[in-house]
Formats: sequence, C-alpha cells, structure tokens
Amino acid sequence: ETGVTQTPRHLVMGMTNKKSLKCEQHLGHNAMYWYKQSAKKPLELMFVYSLEERVENNSVPSRFSPECPNSSHLFLHLHTLQPEDSALYLCASSPRRAETQYFGPGTRLLVL
Amino acid sequence: TQLLEQSPQFLSIQEGENLTVYCNSSSVFSSLQWYRQEPGEGPVLLVTVVTGGEVKKLKRLTFQFGDARKDSSLHITAAQPGDTGLYLCAGEGGGSNYKLTFGKGTLLTVNP
Repeated sequence: ETGVTQTPRHLVMGMTNKKSLKCEQHLGHNAMYWYKQSAKKPLELMFVYSLEERVENNSVPSRFSPECPNSSHLFLHLHTLQPEDSALYLCASSPRRAETQYFGPGTRLLVL
Repeated sequence: TQLLEQSPQFLSIQEGENLTVYCNSSSVFSSLQWYRQEPGEGPVLLVTVVTGGEVKKLKRLTFQFGDARKDSSLHITAAQPGDTGLYLCAGEGGGSNYKLTFGKGTLLTVNP
C-alpha cells in the first residue's frame, strides 16, 4: 500500500538545524493532516489543510511551519526545535475534511 | 473536550486465545474508527462504525459500536502473532467537528 508516503522515514537533527518533512498522497484526496505521536500520549492533531487551505492550527509552536503547495503534497518545515519535539510525525489524508483518514508510515524525528 | 479511554493499556496473551479491548467515552461520536499500528509504521484503518449497536466482522476481528455511540469494543478470536500491534480507536465528533479524537491505544502482544 503506497497511498500516503512520507520522507524521510528517520531524521536526527540538532536544535539549530532547519529541515523539512514531506508527505505525498496518491489517493486523490482533498484534505491532509499532520499529527504528532509521542510516547504514552494520544495522537495530537497539529495542522489540517482542506483544498490547499490551512483550516486548523492546534496551537502549534511557530518552530513548526506547514506548507501545502497542492492537494497531493504536504510539508512540515522545522527550525530551532527542542528535544521534547522528538516524536513520530504522521501525515494523513482523507477524501474530504470530515471523512476517514489514511495515514502514512511516519517520520521518526530525534532532536539532539 | 472529547476523550476516549482505551483499556487495557497493555495485553500479552498466547496464540489461540481470545481477547476483547475497549474504547469508552462520555461523549457521543458520529462515527468511530479502529486502527492497528505496528512499530515504526503509521496507523492502518481496520473499520469504521457509524450506527449505534452496529457490529462489523473482519475475519477473526469483531467490532461493536455501543447503542449510545459512546463506546466500542474489539474482540479477536484465536489471536495470532500477526495480530500484535497497537490498537487505536478514534472518534469523529460529527457535524462541523471533523476532528478525530484518538485514545492512547492498547498494545497487544500475541506470543507464539
């Protein structure tokens, strides 16, 4: 199943680095999402895009900056992260905003 | 705030045993989804239940949505090592509340 792909799968970065996570969906969906999954916590919704427009920003720190250039691609730009930002970052897509979401494999991020 | 409580948090059983895991809330959901997540991967959708009292079967997995649409259960018959993973339930608020609320999950280990 390659409906939603994410790159890189693993990333180690220092607190002063700038990096980007990429998500691509091949399902023809119109909504895309970024989630953060930390140990012992429920999945946390970060951002929602619907038809390339950001419709949700769940009080996410500005060191995380999303970008959705078209309905198939979603990026998460990272800069000056903190060690507590280490987590699995999951991308998901759905046909429309209120419909079943399909997840990518995630990017495992470690901030040193 | 809608919360989903999953129990048990951890479950370790022998191959061939039956098990049930639960997903409970004080809130009503328009639909509820079950996902299985394997280590290092994103959640994979197993089923969506929509109608109160609904029962869906997926091979050895039986999913039930409570009559009041506040809770759900997942029963696995004759568990196999391939069933090992983190089982997540997620509830959709309905209407304009398109957000999925996730539980923390039940980590199931099926030993050969």
